Amino acid sequence: DAGVIQSPRHEVTEMGQEVTLRCKPISGHDYLFWYRQTMMRGLELLIYFNNNVPIDDSGMPEDRFSAKMPNASFSTLKIQPSEPRDSAVYFCASTIDRGETQYFGPGTRLLVL
Amino acid sequence: SQQGEEDPQALSIQEGENATMNCSYKTSINNLQWYRQNSGRGLVHLILIRSNEREKHSGRLRVTLDTSKKSSSLLITASRAADTASYFCATAGYSTLTFGKGTMLLVSP
Repeated sequence: DAGVIQSPRHEVTEMGQEVTLRCKPISGHDYLFWYRQTMMRGLELLIYFNNNVPIDDSGMPEDRFSAKMPNASFSTLKIQPSEPRDSAVYFCASTIDRGETQYFGPGTRLLVL
Repeated sequence: SQQGEEDPQALSIQEGENATMNCSYKTSINNLQWYRQNSGRGLVHLILIRSNEREKHSGRLRVTLDTSKKSSSLLITASRAADTASYFCATAGYSTLTFGKGTMLLVSP
């Protein structure tokens, strides 16, 4: 398996623009997680899905953030409108069972100017 | 919060030496996991220890878990320059992991 795939790897955008991050989990993994990593706050869980259904989005910072998982092999995290404080590395991870080992993608490094 | 907190925040050693990192947490857990992150990369799972286990080994890694003290340690023996990375502990609740801020390990040749 190719592992968790994320795109784009780098994104530079201007404040106010819409940003869409994409993730393809490992086939057969029923759980998908979106994290944000910054120096100040470390690794924060934003939202997670089980069998394509959002289970807990309490970590989503604001209504500007939204996430979808239309099928078992694809998820998106959207920020609209983006702000400079959204600059961070966003990771997607998947796992076969809750609480077990998570497999991380390479991350998307987002810079909002 | 059951967030793990690693100690020390940074560690600098020479190749061949052992590196020990500690993790403390606040509430009961199902398991505790250690991950490594190389600069600019995603996290890579190293080892998982369940709440009913006290010690686990994997290659040069040794992990201990003391649930009475709510603490864990990661020992890397005979370190190599390639071990230079950030190391995170993650505590597992019902469905999610909560990560600490990590220990930055620098291994000098």
